Amino acid sequence: AQSVTQLGSHVSVSEGALVLLRCNYSSSVPPYLFWYVQYPNQGLQLLLKYTSAATLVKGINGFEAEFKKSETSFHLTKPSAHMSDAAEYFCAVSLSGGYNKLIFGAGTRLAVHP
Amino acid sequence: KAGVTQTPRYLIKTRGQQVTLSCSPISGHRSVSWYQQTPGQGLQFLFEYFSETQRNKGNFPGRFSGRQFSNSRSEMNVSTLELGDSALYLCASSLGRGDEQFFGPGTRLTVL
Repeated sequence: AQSVTQLGSHVSVSEGALVLLRCNYSSSVPPYLFWYVQYPNQGLQLLLKYTSAATLVKGINGFEAEFKKSETSFHLTKPSAHMSDAAEYFCAVSLSGGYNKLIFGAGTRLAVHP
Repeated sequence: KAGVTQTPRYLIKTRGQQVTLSCSPISGHRSVSWYQQTPGQGLQFLFEYFSETQRNKGNFPGRFSGRQFSNSRSEMNVSTLELGDSALYLCASSLGRGDEQFFGPGTRLTVL
């Protein structure tokens, strides 16, 4: 069975600081991995996805993530936080080439303070 | 290109009633998935439809059902509502298997 663990339900950083949101996955087959962002009262927006191509994936808004099979991790990073990055972030996994069933982590709420 | 639309955006029902939520996918998308989001359980997959066929189903009771029409629009129905059904219901559409899913803004259901 697949599962996703996001370490840290709340992360707080200063504006301009590095953002690191952690995600570990469990999957019996090669996974597809995703990071989504959710702003208040909105749906989910895809930041980036890993689908077995390059292990370092670049997404929108300056975010990137690295797939590390040995560590079963897919951590999200951004070199310099902006106030507008404050939101909830979800890591998700699905079966590679499988149906469109996303298994989500519990989410990490990112706060950015001046 | 218009995004995924969900109607209504907000809904208040009482226990025991039933409710139907609607989702219009992005034009050309044939896959529609539904998710439930609650503070306690997080985001959970309900089911996916592709070309009018349910292709995958999550671990929800039979009170939760759905269907997809020939124009790819989808509806989700919840019968005999319970307080615990209060949630944000999100719909996502994609071209097909393994493609990026685009989410709608959701329908906020409150059960009193």
